[in-house]
Amino acid sequence: AQSVTQLGSHVSVSEGALVLLRCNYSSSVPPYLFWYVQYPNQGLQLLLKYTTGATLVKGINGFEAEFKKSETSFHLTKPSAHMSDAAEYFCAVSDNDKIIFGKGTRLHILP
Amino acid sequence: KAGVTQTPRYLIKTRGQQVTLSCSPISGHRSVSWYQQTPGQGLQFLFEYFSETQRNKGNFPGRFSGRQFSNSRSEMNVSTLELGDSALYLCASSLAPSGSSNTGELFFGEGSRLTVL
Repeated sequence: AQSVTQLGSHVSVSEGALVLLRCNYSSSVPPYLFWYVQYPNQGLQLLLKYTTGATLVKGINGFEAEFKKSETSFHLTKPSAHMSDAAEYFCAVSDNDKIIFGKGTRLHILP
Repeated sequence: KAGVTQTPRYLIKTRGQQVTLSCSPISGHRSVSWYQQTPGQGLQFLFEYFSETQRNKGNFPGRFSGRQFSNSRSEMNVSTLELGDSALYLCASSLAPSGSSNTGELFFGEGSRLTVL
């Protein structure tokens, strides 16, 4: 079965600094990968997804992620953090018959 | 286009009681998945329904059950509530069933926050 590991349950960055949220997956076949964001008191919404093709995927709000098969990674980045980016971020992988989510990383933005 | 609607948004129950949560998917979506979200555990898959049939079930005890109606609305039920059932229960809908053959996204509701006292 697939699994997803997100390194760091909490990450703090200064406003304007680079955001890097790490995600590694276990898979014996090319997976479909997703990043979702959850703002306080809301459900999750899709930031971006990788299915096939270009390994660098651009999403909403200036986020992007790169699929690296050799490293089984799908890290999420944003060049310059904004206060509105404070939220919880979930990496997910598509298994045979369900979507498996990581435990989440809460992103804190320091003024 | 209306999003995924979950009711109730908040509820408080006591141990031993049962609870029923409702989810109305986006119009046209036939797949509904349920997840339990708790601090430190992230989202844990409960089950998925597609066209009134349960496709898959996560590792939860039989006290957790669900169903889907012909209009794609879904309900989940938890019987004999325990303190550990306190969580945010999220419903998500999609056009097609989840899985490697479906690259579509899940659309989430805002969740039903259950507190068990």
